[in-house]
Amino acid sequence: KNEVEQSPQNLTAQEGEFITINCSYSVGISALHWLQQHPGGGIVSLFMLSSGKKKHGRLIATINIQEKHSSLHITASHPRDSAVYICAAPMNRDDKIIFGKGTRLHILP
Amino acid sequence: DTGVSQDPRHKITKRGQNVTFRCDPISEHNRLYWYRQTLGQGPEFLTYFQNEAQLEKSRLLSDRFSAERPKGSFSTLEIQRTEQGDSAMYLCASSFRPRETQYFGPGTRLLVL
Repeated sequence: KNEVEQSPQNLTAQEGEFITINCSYSVGISALHWLQQHPGGGIVSLFMLSSGKKKHGRLIATINIQEKHSSLHITASHPRDSAVYICAAPMNRDDKIIFGKGTRLHILP
Repeated sequence: DTGVSQDPRHKITKRGQNVTFRCDPISEHNRLYWYRQTLGQGPEFLTYFQNEAQLEKSRLLSDRFSAERPKGSFSTLEIQRTEQGDSAMYLCASSFRPRETQYFGPGTRLLVL
């Protein structure tokens, strides 16, 4: 079992829909990253959070440390949001990051 | 600063050849990480450096792989006697301090024929 699990693996939605991607982890972490990867392969760091909630534009990330769960929400989704979203957790004991397998999001116009 | 850069962006090689990739981190970033990503999977940790010191190597890094960061700035990742299974995207990231946001480069996509 992967130490970082994401769901769903694939998600197709219509433009404007509210999107939720979930991430669960089974190990002790210092913080959690949400990353975005476009088809060309480049990875962009969206959020790094260790508690509560962070918001950037139409993106919102939440984390519940006790439940070892995080969610990434996209409001008013747009086709340009189509990408793979990856949840990643650096381990407490060192800085090594364990990545989820990613959620492939496709927003239809 | 232009961010993390990697060179080359793409590499096609024949099985058995040696390849070397370069990563230039954001200047003054002490931490540098190498990851590998195969198709349809999330990235996997390979190794990381604190300045010029290599602190950890994953079991994924066989003896055909070697990474260096000789002056604590840029890093190289060399794969000797490449195999088809080495085909992947090799990603580099850097951070200023441990447990801070890691900034990723564009990756080097390797195809071993």
